[in-house]
Amino acid sequence: NAGVTQTPKFQVLKTGQSMTLQCAQDMNHEYMSWYRQDPGMGLRLIHYSVGAGITDQGEVPNGYNVSRSTTEDFPLRLLSAAPSQTSVYFCASSPARSGANVLTFGAGSRLTVL
Amino acid sequence: DAKTTQPPSMDCAEGRAANLPCNHSTISGNEYVYWYRQIHSQGPQYIIHGLKNNETNEMASLIITEDRKSSTLILPHATLRDTAVYYCIVRVRSGAGSYQLTFGKGTKLSVIP
Repeated sequence: NAGVTQTPKFQVLKTGQSMTLQCAQDMNHEYMSWYRQDPGMGLRLIHYSVGAGITDQGEVPNGYNVSRSTTEDFPLRLLSAAPSQTSVYFCASSPARSGANVLTFGAGSRLTVL
Repeated sequence: DAKTTQPPSMDCAEGRAANLPCNHSTISGNEYVYWYRQIHSQGPQYIIHGLKNNETNEMASLIITEDRKSSTLILPHATLRDTAVYYCIVRVRSGAGSYQLTFGKGTKLSVIP
């Protein structure tokens, strides 16, 4: 099993550009989530989903959109990138529909907004 | 929401036991304690979790005090590869009714040769 796959690993954007960070898991996990990690900080929850068609906001959702059309995929969209969104982004999944439990994390996507 | 308090950093000699403390004095009766670690810039890795009984797996042991207000993660024989940031997390129920894990700054464990 590949686990949780994130693409791209690195991305540089200009202010105002849009892009999508991809996240896919092959473990048939119901719960998926996106975190961001700024230098020297812990992870902050952006959005999460407890199943296909269901999404909700986490701690820092502004500037990001998500959708969950399939169990496997949970893309994160930046509509108009800002320098404050420079960060490392982690996608994570867990089996339970009730929410976060034993999370499996992806390797991360490092985003720089100029 | 229950919050956790961890020392920002600790050192441990290679081959010795690493004991990482965590305070969660406001924990509720049905809230689990989870431990994760993050090696360098990789994605966090699950270690262990528990409710009120002590737990052990192939990676570590988790000791939870009887009043559940604190816990200790024990790595029995620390190696250089255990150098990482260790997060103690209390799982809480969000307003939408599902469970979330909130990561603080954790404890930076340095294993010294």
